[in-house]
Amino acid sequence: GESVGLHLPTLSVQEGDNSIINCAYSNSASDYFIWYKQESGKGPQFIIDIRSNMDKRQGQRVTVLLNKTVKHLSLQIAATQPGDSAVYFCAEIPFSGGYNKLIFGAGTRLAVHP
Amino acid sequence: KAGVTQTPRYLIKTRGQQVTLSCSPISGHRSVSWYQQTPGQGLQFLFEYFSETQRNKGNFPGRFSGRQFSNSRSEMNVSTLELGDSALYLCASALTSGRIGEQFFGPGTRLTVL
Repeated sequence: GESVGLHLPTLSVQEGDNSIINCAYSNSASDYFIWYKQESGKGPQFIIDIRSNMDKRQGQRVTVLLNKTVKHLSLQIAATQPGDSAVYFCAEIPFSGGYNKLIFGAGTRLAVHP
Repeated sequence: KAGVTQTPRYLIKTRGQQVTLSCSPISGHRSVSWYQQTPGQGLQFLFEYFSETQRNKGNFPGRFSGRQFSNSRSEMNVSTLELGDSALYLCASALTSGRIGEQFFGPGTRLTVL
Protein backbone atom coordinates (compact mmCIF):
# COMPACT_ATOMS: atom_id res chain seq x y z
CA GLY A 1 0.00 0.00 0.00
CA GLU A 2 0.96 3.62 -0.18
CA SER A 3 3.04 5.17 2.54
CA VAL A 4 1.35 8.10 4.20
CA GLY A 5 4.37 9.22 6.13
CA LEU A 6 7.86 7.79 6.25
CA HIS A 7 9.00 9.52 9.42
CA LEU A 8 5.94 9.60 11.61
CA PRO A 9 6.22 8.98 15.35
CA THR A 10 5.12 5.45 16.10
CA LEU A 11 3.20 4.13 19.07
CA SER A 12 3.58 0.38 19.53
CA VAL A 13 1.09 -1.42 21.77
CA GLN A 14 0.08 -4.95 22.58
CA GLU A 15 -3.31 -6.20 21.51
CA GLY A 16 -5.79 -5.63 24.31
CA ASP A 17 -3.91 -2.71 25.85
CA ASN A 18 -5.25 0.84 25.86
CA SER A 19 -3.65 3.35 23.46
CA ILE A 20 -3.27 7.07 23.92
CA ILE A 21 -2.38 9.22 20.93
CA ASN A 22 -1.55 12.86 21.54
CA CYS A 23 -1.79 15.95 19.41
CA ALA A 24 -0.83 19.58 19.96
CA TYR A 25 -2.86 22.03 17.94
CA SER A 26 -1.75 25.46 16.89
CA ASN A 27 -4.69 27.82 16.73
CA SER A 28 -6.31 28.93 19.97
CA ALA A 29 -9.24 30.18 17.89
CA SER A 30 -10.07 26.68 16.62
CA ASP A 31 -13.45 25.57 17.87
CA TYR A 32 -13.84 22.12 16.41
CA PHE A 33 -11.51 19.13 16.45
CA ILE A 34 -11.62 15.78 14.73
CA TRP A 35 -9.64 12.56 14.85
CA TYR A 36 -9.11 10.63 11.63
CA LYS A 37 -7.73 7.17 10.99
CA GLN A 38 -5.90 6.42 7.75
CA GLU A 39 -5.12 2.88 6.70
CA SER A 40 -2.64 2.10 3.97
CA GLY A 41 -4.09 2.79 0.53
CA LYS A 42 -7.15 4.57 1.87
CA GLY A 43 -8.28 8.08 2.60
CA PRO A 44 -8.72 9.36 6.17
CA GLN A 45 -11.75 7.99 7.99
CA PHE A 46 -13.66 9.97 10.65
CA ILE A 47 -13.35 8.56 14.16
CA ILE A 48 -14.69 11.12 16.61
CA ASP A 49 -15.06 14.88 16.97
CA ILE A 50 -15.29 17.39 19.78
CA ARG A 51 -16.28 21.02 20.04
CA SER A 52 -14.22 23.54 21.95
CA ASN A 53 -16.90 23.95 24.62
CA MET A 54 -16.36 20.34 25.70
CA ASP A 55 -13.50 18.64 27.55
CA LYS A 56 -14.32 15.05 26.80
CA ARG A 57 -16.37 12.99 24.41
CA GLN A 58 -16.78 9.25 24.23
CA GLY A 59 -17.55 6.97 21.34
CA GLN A 60 -17.37 3.26 20.85
CA ARG A 61 -14.01 2.21 22.36
CA VAL A 62 -12.66 5.72 21.78
CA THR A 63 -12.50 8.83 23.94
CA VAL A 64 -11.25 12.26 22.94
CA LEU A 65 -9.95 14.69 25.55
CA LEU A 66 -9.46 18.38 24.91
CA ASN A 67 -7.29 20.65 27.03
CA LYS A 68 -7.66 24.18 25.70
CA THR A 69 -5.30 25.65 28.26
CA VAL A 70 -2.31 23.90 26.73
CA LYS A 71 -3.85 23.37 23.27
CA HIS A 72 -3.68 19.61 23.56
CA LEU A 73 -5.90 16.88 22.19
CA SER A 74 -5.71 13.17 22.89
CA LEU A 75 -7.38 10.07 21.54
CA GLN A 76 -7.76 7.08 23.79
CA ILE A 77 -8.51 3.69 22.26
CA ALA A 78 -9.65 1.00 24.67
CA ALA A 79 -8.73 -2.66 24.20
CA THR A 80 -6.67 -1.96 21.08
CA GLN A 81 -7.11 -4.47 18.27
CA PRO A 82 -4.91 -5.34 15.26
CA GLY A 83 -7.47 -3.61 13.05
CA ASP A 84 -6.67 -0.35 14.84
CA SER A 85 -3.22 -0.33 13.24
CA ALA A 86 -3.13 2.80 11.09
CA VAL A 87 -1.96 6.40 11.03
CA TYR A 88 -4.03 8.71 13.21
CA PHE A 89 -4.40 12.42 12.52
CA CYS A 90 -5.93 15.16 14.57
CA ALA A 91 -7.50 18.00 12.64
CA GLU A 92 -8.81 21.40 13.68
CA ILE A 93 -11.21 23.85 12.14
CA PRO A 94 -10.44 27.46 12.97
CA PHE A 95 -13.58 29.42 13.67
CA SER A 96 -12.86 31.82 10.85
CA GLY A 97 -11.38 29.30 8.44
CA GLY A 98 -14.45 27.97 6.79
CA TYR A 99 -16.29 24.93 8.00
CA ASN A 100 -14.73 22.42 5.69
CA LYS A 101 -11.14 23.66 5.82
CA LEU A 102 -9.35 21.12 7.95
CA ILE A 103 -5.89 21.79 9.36
CA PHE A 104 -4.23 18.46 10.02
CA GLY A 105 -1.55 17.52 12.51
CA ALA A 106 1.48 15.51 11.46
CA GLY A 107 0.02 12.12 12.39
CA THR A 108 1.01 9.21 14.61
CA ARG A 109 1.43 5.65 13.42
CA LEU A 110 -0.18 3.08 15.73
CA ALA A 111 1.25 -0.43 15.51
CA VAL A 112 -0.68 -3.14 17.35
CA HIS A 113 1.17 -6.34 18.08
CA PRO A 114 -0.60 -9.63 18.82
CA LYS B 1 -24.68 4.48 -0.64
CA ALA B 2 -21.54 4.75 -2.73
CA GLY B 3 -18.58 6.58 -1.23
CA VAL B 4 -16.36 9.25 -2.70
CA THR B 5 -14.67 8.10 -5.88
CA GLN B 6 -11.51 9.51 -7.39
CA THR B 7 -10.04 8.85 -10.81
CA PRO B 8 -7.51 7.91 -11.82
CA ARG B 9 -6.04 6.12 -8.80
CA TYR B 10 -2.48 6.34 -10.09
CA LEU B 11 -0.85 8.72 -12.52
CA ILE B 12 2.69 9.26 -13.77
CA LYS B 13 3.62 12.52 -15.46
CA THR B 14 6.80 14.34 -16.36
CA ARG B 15 7.91 17.80 -15.32
CA GLY B 16 6.23 20.59 -17.22
CA GLN B 17 3.12 18.61 -18.09
CA GLN B 18 -0.30 19.30 -16.69
CA VAL B 19 -2.73 16.94 -15.02
CA THR B 20 -6.44 16.82 -14.23
CA LEU B 21 -7.82 14.75 -11.38
CA SER B 22 -11.48 13.94 -10.87
CA CYS B 23 -13.62 13.50 -7.78
CA SER B 24 -17.21 12.32 -7.55
CA PRO B 25 -18.75 13.12 -4.15
CA ILE B 26 -21.31 11.10 -2.27
CA SER B 27 -24.74 11.53 -3.79
CA GLY B 28 -26.40 14.61 -2.32
CA HIS B 29 -23.19 16.17 -1.06
CA ARG B 30 -22.55 19.63 -2.42
CA SER B 31 -19.18 20.46 -0.88
CA VAL B 32 -15.95 19.05 -2.27
CA SER B 33 -12.56 19.82 -0.75
CA TRP B 34 -9.14 18.85 -2.04
CA TYR B 35 -6.05 18.00 0.01
CA GLN B 36 -2.45 17.21 -0.85
CA GLN B 37 -0.66 14.58 1.22
CA THR B 38 3.12 14.22 1.19
CA PRO B 39 5.53 12.58 3.66
CA GLY B 40 7.24 15.91 4.27
CA GLN B 41 4.31 18.31 4.55
CA GLY B 42 1.55 15.96 5.64
CA LEU B 43 -2.06 16.72 4.73
CA GLN B 44 -2.58 20.23 3.41
CA PHE B 45 -5.80 21.89 2.34
CA LEU B 46 -5.91 23.01 -1.29
CA PHE B 47 -9.42 24.39 -1.82
CA GLU B 48 -13.11 23.81 -1.27
CA TYR B 49 -15.94 24.09 -3.76
CA PHE B 50 -19.60 24.42 -2.93
CA SER B 51 -22.37 24.86 -5.50
CA GLU B 52 -19.78 25.43 -8.24
CA THR B 53 -18.09 28.26 -6.30
CA GLN B 54 -14.71 28.19 -4.60
CA ARG B 55 -15.38 28.87 -0.92
CA ASN B 56 -11.93 28.45 0.62
CA LYS B 57 -8.41 28.31 -0.66
CA GLY B 58 -5.17 27.09 0.90
CA ASN B 59 -1.64 28.38 0.40
CA PHE B 60 -0.77 26.82 -2.92
CA PRO B 61 0.52 28.53 -6.08
CA GLY B 62 -1.79 29.43 -8.92
CA ARG B 63 -0.68 26.33 -10.83
CA PHE B 64 -3.21 24.50 -8.69
CA SER B 65 -6.78 25.15 -9.71
CA GLY B 66 -10.11 23.46 -9.55
CA ARG B 67 -13.71 23.60 -10.52
CA GLN B 68 -17.01 22.05 -9.65
CA PHE B 69 -19.79 21.08 -11.98
CA SER B 70 -23.53 21.38 -11.50
CA ASN B 71 -23.72 17.70 -10.46
CA SER B 72 -21.17 18.47 -7.69
CA ARG B 73 -18.41 16.48 -9.35
CA SER B 74 -15.11 18.30 -9.06
CA GLU B 75 -11.84 18.39 -10.92
CA MET B 76 -8.52 19.78 -9.90
CA ASN B 77 -5.82 20.75 -12.34
CA VAL B 78 -2.11 21.21 -11.83
CA SER B 79 -0.22 22.94 -14.62
CA THR B 80 3.51 22.98 -15.28
CA LEU B 81 4.16 20.05 -12.98
CA GLU B 82 7.17 20.08 -10.69
CA LEU B 83 8.87 17.17 -8.97
CA GLY B 84 7.55 18.44 -5.65
CA ASP B 85 3.98 17.98 -6.83
CA SER B 86 4.36 14.23 -6.41
CA ALA B 87 1.81 13.41 -3.75
CA LEU B 88 -1.41 11.69 -2.85
CA TYR B 89 -4.29 13.98 -3.75
CA LEU B 90 -7.39 13.42 -1.67
CA CYS B 91 -10.83 14.82 -2.08
CA ALA B 92 -13.47 14.96 0.61
CA SER B 93 -17.17 15.54 0.27
CA ALA B 94 -19.59 17.00 2.77
CA LEU B 95 -23.29 17.63 2.77
CA THR B 96 -22.95 21.35 3.19
CA SER B 97 -20.49 24.16 3.67
CA GLY B 98 -22.45 26.37 6.00
CA ARG B 99 -22.07 24.37 9.17
CA ILE B 100 -19.68 21.83 10.58
CA GLY B 101 -20.36 18.34 9.36
CA GLU B 102 -18.54 15.14 8.72
CA GLN B 103 -16.33 15.04 5.65
CA PHE B 104 -15.89 11.78 3.78
CA PHE B 105 -12.61 11.15 2.01
CA GLY B 106 -11.98 9.28 -1.19
CA PRO B 107 -9.06 6.86 -1.62
CA GLY B 108 -6.93 9.46 -3.37
CA THR B 109 -5.03 9.77 -6.61
CA ARG B 110 -1.32 9.00 -6.38
CA LEU B 111 0.53 11.41 -8.69
CA THR B 112 4.17 10.78 -9.49
CA VAL B 113 6.10 13.45 -11.36
CA LEU B 114 9.31 12.32 -13.05
